[in-house]
Amino acid sequence: DAGVIQSPRHEVTEMGQEVTLRCKPISGHDYLFWYRQTMMRGLELLIYFNNNVPIDDSGMPEDRFSAKMPNASFSTLKIQPSEPRDSAVYFCASSFFWPDREAQYFGPGTRLLVL
Amino acid sequence: KQEVTQIPAALSVPEGENLVLNCSFTDSAIYNLQWFRQDPGKGLTSLLLIQSSQREQTSGRLNASLDKSSGRSTLYIAASQPGDSATYLCAACSGTYKYIFGTGTRLKVLA
Repeated sequence: DAGVIQSPRHEVTEMGQEVTLRCKPISGHDYLFWYRQTMMRGLELLIYFNNNVPIDDSGMPEDRFSAKMPNASFSTLKIQPSEPRDSAVYFCASSFFWPDREAQYFGPGTRLLVL
Repeated sequence: KQEVTQIPAALSVPEGENLVLNCSFTDSAIYNLQWFRQDPGKGLTSLLLIQSSQREQTSGRLNASLDKSSGRSTLYIAASQPGDSATYLCAACSGTYKYIFGTGTRLKVLA
């Protein structure tokens, strides 16, 4: 399997612009997680899905952030409007039969810089 | 609320040494605990997953143990190599099946 795929790998945008991050989980995995990593706060869970349904979005920082999973092989994380404090690395991870069986497997991340 | 701590924050050792990385968590009601490796500018690589019913897991030169009663997990690396240099993160799953990550231990193995 190709592993978790994220795009783009790098994104530079200006404050106020809309940003869309994309994730393709490992085939057959039914859990998908979005994380954010910063130097100040470390790795934080933003939201996770089970069978395409959002289960816990308590980590989403504010209404500017939204996430969707229209099907089992695709998810998006959208920031609108973006702000400089959103600059971070955003990771997507997937798992199967979480948390009782499989580990979480991470994608390479999207490095976002908001100017 | 679960809190996860990793000590030390940084560690430098000569090649060939056996070493132990520590991970502490405050809520013993965990479902599992996972150890990851992160290279600079890269994603996280899964190393070992320990379910709450297990005491340890082994993969090659790595051995991870779990003691829920004391709120501790350790990652043992045998015969360290320069290629082991990276940041090691632990994550504890509790509550609504969410991972809480530690801040990591930056390991440098000197040739």
